[in-house]
Amino acid sequence: GEDVEQSLFLSVREGDSSVINCTYTDSSSTYLYWYKQEPGAGLQLLTYIFSNMDMKQDQRLTVLLNKKDKHLSLRIADTQTGDSAIYFCAERTGGFKTIFGAGTRLFVKA
Amino acid sequence: DTEVTQTPKHLVMGMTNKKSLKCEQHMGHRAMYWYKQKAKKPPELMFVYSYEKLSINESVPSRFSPECPNSSLLNLHLHALQPEDSALYLCASSQDGQGVMDIQYFGAGTRLSVL
Repeated sequence: GEDVEQSLFLSVREGDSSVINCTYTDSSSTYLYWYKQEPGAGLQLLTYIFSNMDMKQDQRLTVLLNKKDKHLSLRIADTQTGDSAIYFCAERTGGFKTIFGAGTRLFVKA
Repeated sequence: DTEVTQTPKHLVMGMTNKKSLKCEQHMGHRAMYWYKQKAKKPPELMFVYSYEKLSINESVPSRFSPECPNSSLLNLHLHALQPEDSALYLCASSQDGQGVMDIQYFGAGTRLSVL
């Protein structure tokens, strides 16, 4: 079945790079997403990548996809305290359902 | 404009009350979703409407009743809720719910407390 797994916590110092990892199980063509959720707020779509791509860069965000290993990562360059949030990896394989990971809580220390 | 608007932002209700959550989008999207999110957990899908018709009901108890009056509006009617129903309720919309290119955009949510 479909499953998305993430590590639960990541702590970095301000100015360092953050790398949040995710693995997924569905092998069919798919879009993979990264959402950010700040405390008490909804989910904000950060970026997405189609499974035939290896990399996507958008300003401070870099998404890397290893399709062979079904591994997705989100790199945040020059991490700021405002980046502290929960980051959800999600997979869409068709139909109405989006499969979310459990979320990685990013702590940024000043 | 990629905004999904949810009202109210916060709601406190007793177990005998009847209340409604509202969601609105003006992106021309034809699929709309209700999710429930408990603390420190990912969102859980409750209902999906596509072209104003209920397409998915994830075995949600009947005390939650969705309604899609038109393509821009989605309501969630609440009646006789239990304290364990306290959660953040998120609305989302997408182009039409079909295919892998269909991106969901989320509202800020309604934080519901059932006393």
